Amino acid sequence: AQKVTQAQTEISVVEKEDVTLDCVYETRDTTYYLFWYKQPPSGELVFLIRRNSFDEQNEISGRYSWNFQKSTSSFNFTITASQVVDSAVYFCALSEAAGRRALTFGSGTRLQVQP
Amino acid sequence: DGGITQSPKYLFRKEGQNVTLSCEQNLNHDAMYWYRQDPGQGLRLIYYSQIVNDFQKGDIAEGYSVSREKKESFPLTVTSAQKNPTAFYLCASSILLNYGYTFGSGTRLTVV
Repeated sequence: AQKVTQAQTEISVVEKEDVTLDCVYETRDTTYYLFWYKQPPSGELVFLIRRNSFDEQNEISGRYSWNFQKSTSSFNFTITASQVVDSAVYFCALSEAAGRRALTFGSGTRLQVQP
Repeated sequence: DGGITQSPKYLFRKEGQNVTLSCEQNLNHDAMYWYRQDPGQGLRLIYYSQIVNDFQKGDIAEGYSVSREKKESFPLTVTSAQKNPTAFYLCASSILLNYGYTFGSGTRLTVV
């Protein structure tokens, strides 16, 4: 069965600090996809990134970067120079190429960026 | 603009009543999903549908029912059999699972 663990329930940082959100996953599939979503206070989830299991290159998008390591089954998310607008709940999710055709989400990490 | 519309935004239900949450999409996506979110918790899958007239149970389907008569619509009924229905309900759709979801803005259901 697939599983996603986000051990950090809540993180609080001061603006301009860097912060890393951890995500560890479990799957028996060799082909799978990992995602990060952001949930601002409005409630709607916003897609941030998708990564397939064959692509271990790290990705950077502005202040956001992602570190995918198959050896440790982790897909961590770093925000550089955090801003107050980054305050939200962030979810990591997993889908398998075979098996259940739906995303499995972690429990989320609430990030609070203080001015 | 294409997207997913969930209605109503807030819904109050008396104990013993069935209520139906609406989810409509104009993205031409084949697959649609319902998730439940409780405070401080992640999203748990209730039901999903990959094509019209077909749907599958998720992890917490008991006390819920769905239908998929049209590609654009995937309503969720919360029945009186659902013992603790107060939660935030999110609907999503995808053209292909591997490309992730587009989410609606959610319906907050409260039992009074």
